[in-house]
Amino acid sequence: GAVVSQHPSRVICKSGTSVKIECRSLDFQATTMFWYRQFPKQSLMLMATSNEGSKATYEQGVEKDKFLINHASLTLSTLTVTSAHPEDSSFYICSARLQFNTEAFFGQGTRLTVV
Amino acid sequence: DQQVKQNSPSLSVQEGRISILNCDYTNSMFDYFLWYKKYPAEGPTFLISISSIKDKNEDGRFTVFLNKSAKHLSLHIVPSQPGDSAVYFCAASPNTGNQFYFGTGTSLTVIP
Repeated sequence: GAVVSQHPSRVICKSGTSVKIECRSLDFQATTMFWYRQFPKQSLMLMATSNEGSKATYEQGVEKDKFLINHASLTLSTLTVTSAHPEDSSFYICSARLQFNTEAFFGQGTRLTVV
Repeated sequence: DQQVKQNSPSLSVQEGRISILNCDYTNSMFDYFLWYKKYPAEGPTFLISISSIKDKNEDGRFTVFLNKSAKHLSLHIVPSQPGDSAVYFCAASPNTGNQFYFGTGTSLTVIP
């Protein structure tokens, strides 16, 4: 199947700093990627849809100024958590789809810990 | 508002028996459904999917059933194996977009 690579897999940062997470589609072009967040023992919550060459579409309740998404190329989307706080600590996962009505492929996820 | 729900947070099954995982959804715009398997601190792994034009899809030991009128789908694993122990998420995608919405997950334990 298609491969989606996410980096870094783990990151620890200090409160108030910003952290960037990268999501790459390695063997296909993804005009759309998706960012999810998972709290311990909870579901994956869709945060936003990242659109190549245009602004991301955020789900209700997700702060777009807090979670900056950039999709500068067909193979790379980035999520930047700005001015991180301990409550931003979570597991972040990206995904991409080859085409409509097919499965989505997921990155390995990033464990963010804000101290 | 949780549009996709899995009401059983956990399930234990004896090895060799059938595992049945259930999922309910509320949005009638959903027309493509998937099941994923997930281990802690890893991304989900795709298992099987079904589109709304079908009511059953089978792939090896995994079968997904869709009941559109009841807005319900289920995943059957038979025979269950200890390696199937993981958290299973159902996900749904609307016909208006490409995004997926996930259920709350069911932790399956297959007892040897």
